[in-house]
Amino acid sequence: KAGVTQTPRYLIKTRGQQVTLSCSPISGHRSVSWYQQTPGQGLQFLFEYFSETQRNKGNFPGRFSGRQFSNSRSEMNVSTLELGDSALYLCASSLGQGVANEKLFFGSGTQLSVL
Amino acid sequence: AQSVTQPDIHITVSEGASLELRCNYSYGATPYLFWYVQSPGQGLQLLLKYFSGDTLVQGIKGFEAEFKRSQSSFNLRKPSVHWSDAAEYFCAVVPYGGSQGNLIFGKGTKLSVKP
Repeated sequence: KAGVTQTPRYLIKTRGQQVTLSCSPISGHRSVSWYQQTPGQGLQFLFEYFSETQRNKGNFPGRFSGRQFSNSRSEMNVSTLELGDSALYLCASSLGQGVANEKLFFGSGTQLSVL
Repeated sequence: AQSVTQPDIHITVSEGASLELRCNYSYGATPYLFWYVQSPGQGLQLLLKYFSGDTLVQGIKGFEAEFKRSQSSFNLRKPSVHWSDAAEYFCAVVPYGGSQGNLIFGKGTKLSVKP
């Protein structure tokens, strides 16, 4: 079974641009979450989707958005990029049946550099 | 404020020595507790988790963790460290009643292993 796939692996953008990152969950998984990882702030929750609906959202500005498609694939978008958006963006998937019953699987991430 | 604290930023141990990584949480009700490991350039892998029941939890790769309610702690241990254990370790929680995808992480402890 293929793992969580994130594309692209690396991305370089300039300030003011926008970017879209993609995440393909493990087959059969209906829940996808996104995290931002930086040296200063560590791992921070961005949002969680389940069956195309946003279930939770972290404390990030409106420039960060996401969506989930009917095949459970997810994208996140960051508009008007700032230098501080440089980070490793991690996607994780699970069946979505509840904390006690399952396991979260992480992708290897997309490393975004904003110049 | 709700938080997860890993007091040690960096720990170095000799190969074959024992290891204990500390984690404290600050939540009203006991949250769901997790330990994840991240190798350089990789996503996160779940080592173990605690929801209820036996306070000593066994995980993969020979790791175990003990939940102590009185100390609000969930420390990770390994009796004999291998060079391949060098990585960054993250303690994480899901607040009680929360969903699997909304993890709150500590800042992480980087483990170096001396030959």
